[in-house]
Amino acid sequence: AQTVTQSQPEMSVQEAETVTLSCTYDTSESNYYLFWYKQPPSRQMILVIRQEAYKQQNATENRFSVNFQKAAKSFSLKISDSQLGDTAMYFCAFMKLPFGNEKLTFGTGTRLTIIP
Amino acid sequence: KAGVTQTPRYLIKTRGQQVTLSCSPISGHRSVSWYQQTPGQGLQFLFEYFSETQRNKGNFPGRFSGRQFSNSRSEMNVSTLELGDSALYLCASSLGFFDSSASYNEQFFGPGTRLTVL
Repeated sequence: AQTVTQSQPEMSVQEAETVTLSCTYDTSESNYYLFWYKQPPSRQMILVIRQEAYKQQNATENRFSVNFQKAAKSFSLKISDSQLGDTAMYFCAFMKLPFGNEKLTFGTGTRLTIIP
Repeated sequence: KAGVTQTPRYLIKTRGQQVTLSCSPISGHRSVSWYQQTPGQGLQFLFEYFSETQRNKGNFPGRFSGRQFSNSRSEMNVSTLELGDSALYLCASSLGFFDSSASYNEQFFGPGTRLTVL
């Protein structure tokens, strides 16, 4: 079974600053995906970024980037130039491959507040 | 393309009753997954349906069941409700199979159904 751990229940940062959210996971699988999901106060869960375990290059999506350390089983999310709209719960999630295993295993989440 | 829709958005029930929640996936998606979100337990996987068959199942009691119809719409049923069943129930849809034209089989979430058990 897989486990995902987010050790920061809450974080806050000033607008325009950079913030890093931490995530560690434990698995015996060799092929998997890792994700960061965002859940704003409106509750709609949105995919922020994903990382394939077989790729060494860290994923980047505009202001969002990850630091994927496979050996250490660490997967942190960096948000640059933070904006008020980034205020949300952020969940780290794991999904094993191949496709057909649609189960996502989530961490407990980090509540991020961007301060104006 | 319309997103994932869930009905109803809010529901209040009393202990012992049963409830049915509905999820309509994105057009063309054949997989629907259900998750329970509570402050204490976080997000937990309930089950996943693909082409009208339950393909994956989480660790929930038999009071939680589901089904999927030929149009991929899914329903989730909880019988003999308990206070601890109060939660936000999320469904997510995806293609459910490998598609070489898609770089990833992304799951799209609905807005959720907030169930309160009194």
